[in-house]
Amino acid sequence: AQRVTQPEKLLSVFKGAPVELKCNYSYSGSPELFWYVQYSRQRLQLLLRHISRESIKGFTADLNKGETSFHLKKPFAQEEDSAMYYCALSAGGGNMLTFGGGTRLMVKP
Amino acid sequence: NAGVMQNPRHLVRRRGQEARLRCSPMKGHSHVYWYRQLPEEGLKFMVYLQKENIIDESGMPKERFSAEFPKEGPSILRIQQVVRGDSAAYFCASSSDRVEQYFGPGTRLTVT
Repeated sequence: AQRVTQPEKLLSVFKGAPVELKCNYSYSGSPELFWYVQYSRQRLQLLLRHISRESIKGFTADLNKGETSFHLKKPFAQEEDSAMYYCALSAGGGNMLTFGGGTRLMVKP
Repeated sequence: NAGVMQNPRHLVRRRGQEARLRCSPMKGHSHVYWYRQLPEEGLKFMVYLQKENIIDESGMPKERFSAEFPKEGPSILRIQQVVRGDSAAYFCASSSDRVEQYFGPGTRLTVT
Protein backbone atom coordinates (compact mmCIF):
# COMPACT_ATOMS: atom_id res chain seq x y z
CA ALA A 1 0.00 0.00 0.00
CA GLN A 2 1.16 3.52 -0.71
CA ARG A 3 1.82 6.15 1.92
CA VAL A 4 2.69 9.85 1.86
CA THR A 5 4.32 11.60 4.78
CA GLN A 6 4.65 15.32 5.36
CA PRO A 7 6.68 15.58 8.55
CA GLU A 8 5.94 19.23 9.30
CA LYS A 9 2.44 20.33 10.22
CA LEU A 10 3.49 23.96 10.33
CA LEU A 11 6.30 25.84 8.64
CA SER A 12 6.82 29.50 9.41
CA VAL A 13 9.27 31.66 7.45
CA PHE A 14 9.88 35.32 6.79
CA LYS A 15 9.12 36.95 3.48
CA GLY A 16 12.03 36.53 1.10
CA ALA A 17 13.41 33.45 2.84
CA PRO A 18 13.75 30.13 1.03
CA VAL A 19 11.06 27.54 1.60
CA GLU A 20 11.20 23.76 1.48
CA LEU A 21 8.14 21.68 2.27
CA LYS A 22 9.08 18.07 2.73
CA CYS A 23 7.25 15.09 1.28
CA ASN A 24 8.29 11.45 1.47
CA TYR A 25 6.42 8.55 -0.02
CA SER A 26 6.42 4.79 -0.02
CA TYR A 27 5.26 2.88 -3.05
CA SER A 28 6.77 -0.10 -4.78
CA GLY A 29 5.89 0.94 -8.33
CA SER A 30 6.34 4.12 -10.36
CA PRO A 31 4.24 6.80 -8.74
CA GLU A 32 2.88 10.06 -10.03
CA LEU A 33 3.43 12.81 -7.48
CA PHE A 34 1.49 16.03 -7.06
CA TRP A 35 1.44 19.11 -4.87
CA TYR A 36 -1.94 20.63 -4.08
CA VAL A 37 -2.49 23.98 -2.37
CA GLN A 38 -5.45 25.33 -0.46
CA TYR A 39 -5.52 29.07 0.15
CA SER A 40 -7.75 30.47 2.87
CA ARG A 41 -11.44 29.96 2.05
CA GLN A 42 -10.65 28.47 -1.33
CA ARG A 43 -10.86 24.97 -2.70
CA LEU A 44 -7.98 22.59 -3.10
CA GLN A 45 -6.16 23.21 -6.37
CA LEU A 46 -3.33 21.53 -8.20
CA LEU A 47 -0.04 23.38 -7.86
CA LEU A 48 2.23 21.11 -9.84
CA ARG A 49 2.86 17.52 -10.88
CA HIS A 50 6.21 15.88 -11.26
CA ILE A 51 5.81 14.68 -14.82
CA SER A 52 5.27 18.19 -16.17
CA ARG A 53 8.44 19.51 -14.54
CA GLU A 54 6.97 23.02 -14.51
CA SER A 55 7.61 25.89 -12.15
CA ILE A 56 4.34 27.33 -10.88
CA LYS A 57 4.31 30.58 -8.87
CA GLY A 58 8.04 30.10 -8.40
CA PHE A 59 7.63 26.65 -6.83
CA THR A 60 9.47 23.59 -8.08
CA ALA A 61 9.58 19.99 -6.95
CA ASP A 62 11.90 17.22 -8.04
CA LEU A 63 11.11 13.57 -7.69
CA ASN A 64 14.00 11.76 -6.01
CA LYS A 65 13.33 8.06 -6.40
CA GLY A 66 16.42 7.09 -4.41
CA GLU A 67 15.23 9.01 -1.37
CA THR A 68 11.53 8.54 -2.22
CA SER A 69 10.98 12.25 -1.79
CA PHE A 70 9.18 15.02 -3.63
CA HIS A 71 10.03 18.16 -1.70
CA LEU A 72 8.47 21.48 -2.72
CA LYS A 73 10.83 24.43 -2.92
CA LYS A 74 10.74 28.14 -3.53
CA PRO A 75 13.80 30.38 -3.29
CA PHE A 76 12.03 33.49 -2.00
CA ALA A 77 8.75 33.12 -0.12
CA GLN A 78 5.98 35.69 -0.54
CA GLU A 79 3.19 36.49 1.91
CA GLU A 80 0.61 35.29 -0.61
CA ASP A 81 2.20 31.83 -0.45
CA SER A 82 0.66 31.34 3.00
CA ALA A 83 -1.64 28.32 2.64
CA MET A 84 -2.05 24.61 3.31
CA TYR A 85 0.06 22.42 1.06
CA TYR A 86 -0.67 18.76 0.42
CA CYS A 87 1.58 16.26 -1.26
CA ALA A 88 -0.27 13.47 -3.06
CA LEU A 89 0.57 10.27 -4.88
CA SER A 90 -1.27 8.44 -7.62
CA ALA A 91 -0.34 4.80 -7.83
CA GLY A 92 -0.68 4.31 -11.56
CA GLY A 93 -3.89 3.89 -13.48
CA GLY A 94 -4.82 7.44 -12.64
CA ASN A 95 -7.20 6.50 -9.92
CA MET A 96 -7.22 7.54 -6.31
CA LEU A 97 -4.88 10.04 -4.75
CA THR A 98 -3.13 9.26 -1.49
CA PHE A 99 -2.55 12.48 0.44
CA GLY A 100 -0.08 13.45 3.09
CA GLY A 101 -1.33 15.15 6.23
CA GLY A 102 -0.55 18.61 4.91
CA THR A 103 1.80 21.41 5.92
CA ARG A 104 0.58 24.86 6.80
CA LEU A 105 2.99 27.46 5.44
CA MET A 106 2.96 30.85 7.11
CA VAL A 107 5.00 33.60 5.51
CA LYS A 108 5.55 36.49 7.88
CA PRO A 109 6.16 40.05 6.67
CA ASN B 1 -17.03 26.21 -16.63
CA ALA B 2 -18.37 26.56 -13.11
CA GLY B 3 -16.04 24.02 -11.58
CA VAL B 4 -16.97 21.13 -9.33
CA MET B 5 -20.06 21.94 -7.30
CA GLN B 6 -20.94 20.40 -3.97
CA ASN B 7 -24.02 20.89 -1.87
CA PRO B 8 -24.83 21.46 0.78
CA ARG B 9 -21.70 23.24 2.00
CA HIS B 10 -22.64 22.57 5.61
CA LEU B 11 -24.87 19.79 6.88
CA VAL B 12 -25.92 19.10 10.44
CA ARG B 13 -27.47 15.76 11.32
CA ARG B 14 -28.45 14.10 14.56
CA ARG B 15 -27.12 10.66 15.33
CA GLY B 16 -29.10 8.02 13.49
CA GLN B 17 -30.25 10.28 10.66
CA GLU B 18 -29.21 9.98 7.03
CA ALA B 19 -26.83 12.36 5.27
CA ARG B 20 -26.86 12.92 1.50
CA LEU B 21 -24.00 14.80 -0.08
CA ARG B 22 -24.15 15.86 -3.70
CA CYS B 23 -21.42 16.49 -6.24
CA SER B 24 -21.79 17.87 -9.74
CA PRO B 25 -18.59 17.32 -11.73
CA MET B 26 -17.13 19.78 -14.17
CA LYS B 27 -18.68 19.77 -17.61
CA GLY B 28 -17.20 17.00 -19.71
CA HIS B 29 -15.77 15.10 -16.74
CA SER B 30 -16.93 11.52 -16.39
CA HIS B 31 -14.74 10.49 -13.44
CA VAL B 32 -15.78 11.34 -9.88
CA TYR B 33 -13.85 10.75 -6.67
CA TRP B 34 -14.92 11.19 -3.05
CA TYR B 35 -12.49 11.93 -0.23
CA ARG B 36 -12.99 12.41 3.49
CA GLN B 37 -10.96 14.68 5.72
CA LEU B 38 -11.18 14.11 9.45
CA PRO B 39 -10.10 16.95 11.76
CA GLU B 40 -6.33 17.52 11.75
CA GLU B 41 -5.78 14.85 9.07
CA GLY B 42 -5.18 14.74 5.33
CA LEU B 43 -7.73 13.73 2.74
CA LYS B 44 -8.44 10.02 2.46
CA PHE B 45 -9.83 8.36 -0.63
CA MET B 46 -13.25 6.79 -0.35
CA VAL B 47 -14.62 5.87 -3.77
CA TYR B 48 -14.10 6.36 -7.50
CA LEU B 49 -17.05 6.30 -9.88
CA GLN B 50 -17.81 6.70 -13.52
CA LYS B 51 -21.29 7.16 -14.90
CA GLU B 52 -23.47 4.38 -13.47
CA ASN B 53 -20.45 2.40 -12.28
CA ILE B 54 -18.42 2.11 -9.09
CA ILE B 55 -14.84 1.54 -10.19
CA ASP B 56 -12.99 1.47 -6.86
CA GLU B 57 -14.62 1.57 -3.44
CA SER B 58 -11.65 0.34 -1.46
CA GLY B 59 -11.75 3.35 0.86
CA MET B 60 -15.43 3.15 1.73
CA PRO B 61 -16.46 1.89 5.16
CA LYS B 62 -18.18 -1.44 4.76
CA GLU B 63 -21.41 -0.39 6.39
CA ARG B 64 -23.72 2.62 6.21
CA PHE B 65 -21.85 4.33 3.34
CA SER B 66 -22.85 4.16 -0.31
CA ALA B 67 -22.19 6.18 -3.44
CA GLU B 68 -23.72 6.49 -6.86
CA PHE B 69 -23.19 8.45 -10.05
CA PRO B 70 -26.34 8.06 -12.12
CA LYS B 71 -26.62 8.61 -15.83
CA GLU B 72 -28.39 11.89 -15.17
CA GLY B 73 -27.74 14.16 -12.23
CA PRO B 74 -25.05 14.56 -9.61
CA SER B 75 -23.03 11.96 -7.80
CA ILE B 76 -24.39 11.25 -4.32
CA LEU B 77 -22.58 10.04 -1.24
CA ARG B 78 -25.07 8.62 1.25
CA ILE B 79 -24.36 7.95 4.90
CA GLN B 80 -27.06 6.09 6.78
CA GLN B 81 -27.53 6.19 10.55
CA VAL B 82 -24.79 8.75 11.06
CA VAL B 83 -22.58 8.63 14.13
CA ARG B 84 -20.39 11.32 15.68
CA GLY B 85 -17.31 9.80 14.07
CA ASP B 86 -18.74 10.62 10.63
CA SER B 87 -18.24 14.34 11.32
CA ALA B 88 -15.74 15.45 8.73
CA ALA B 89 -15.26 17.42 5.54
CA TYR B 90 -16.20 15.45 2.44
CA PHE B 91 -14.60 16.48 -0.82
CA CYS B 92 -15.54 15.52 -4.32
CA ALA B 93 -13.17 15.71 -7.28
CA SER B 94 -13.75 15.18 -10.96
CA SER B 95 -11.45 14.41 -13.84
CA SER B 96 -11.59 14.04 -17.60
CA ASP B 97 -8.39 12.04 -17.93
CA ARG B 98 -8.12 10.20 -14.58
CA VAL B 99 -4.90 12.07 -13.86
CA GLU B 100 -5.63 15.68 -12.98
CA GLN B 101 -8.40 15.95 -10.43
CA TYR B 102 -10.36 19.15 -9.80
CA PHE B 103 -11.81 19.53 -6.35
CA GLY B 104 -15.07 20.93 -5.10
CA PRO B 105 -15.36 23.20 -2.06
CA GLY B 106 -16.37 20.34 0.20
CA THR B 107 -19.31 19.57 2.46
CA ARG B 108 -18.72 19.89 6.17
CA LEU B 109 -20.84 17.33 8.00
CA THR B 110 -21.49 17.76 11.69
CA VAL B 111 -23.22 15.01 13.62
CA THR B 112 -24.75 16.11 16.91
